[in-house]
Amino acid sequence: QLALTQSPSASASLGASVKLTCTLSSGHINYAIAWHQQQPEKGPRYLMKVNNDGSHNNGDGIPDRFSGSSSGAERYLTISSLQSEDEADYYCQTWGTGIQVFGGGTKLTVL
Amino acid sequence: EVQLVESGGGLVKPGGSLRLSCAASGFTFSTYSMNWVRQAPGKGPEWVSSISSTSTYIYYADSVKGRFTISRDNAKNSLYLQMNSLRAEDTAVYYCARDLQITGYTGTAPEYWGQGTLVTVSS
Repeated sequence: QLALTQSPSASASLGASVKLTCTLSSGHINYAIAWHQQQPEKGPRYLMKVNNDGSHNNGDGIPDRFSGSSSGAERYLTISSLQSEDEADYYCQTWGTGIQVFGGGTKLTVL
Repeated sequence: EVQLVESGGGLVKPGGSLRLSCAASGFTFSTYSMNWVRQAPGKGPEWVSSISSTSTYIYYADSVKGRFTISRDNAKNSLYLQMNSLRAEDTAVYYCARDLQITGYTGTAPEYWGQGTLVTVSS
């Protein structure tokens, strides 16, 4: 069954970098995923698509300090030069024929 | 600029019906697949339904199959979600989202999200 697993929380200091992880279920390790950001009291915003080869395509207006990568069943979102407005929930999401699945989300705290 | 504006949410009793609308602008609506995604209070997003550009392909999450119907009117640049037999667990903010549009798929990832409309199912 297609599923995504994320750690519930992460934290990093202002100006530092952080790497969030999303793990694809067994049998689906070659799937591409998307990352979405949801700031407090706001709707979600698409960040990027990450392919199984690690290539990624940022969405419109998403700065280069947001990047994606991949290793095996894991897909990563790296945020560099952390800013206070990066404190948010981050969801990975994937798709198959006739189905879309979201991960449980990672709450990022910027210290 | 891509804009998606949902409307039609509100308070409805269990077993009732509601029709959500989404007005799209800033892109050629008729060439994109579209999605509905919902988010219950305090929870993560949940995909609800997708529809291809010409309505040929339509998909639903198991949780809404047989109760919800997605449709679109390309002449009016509008997306709809007819929700029947509503349950308390359908309470959520419902988002309209333009699809990322990957060849070979209907419904991949929401690339642009609306601001959402709240549906509350309660007696």
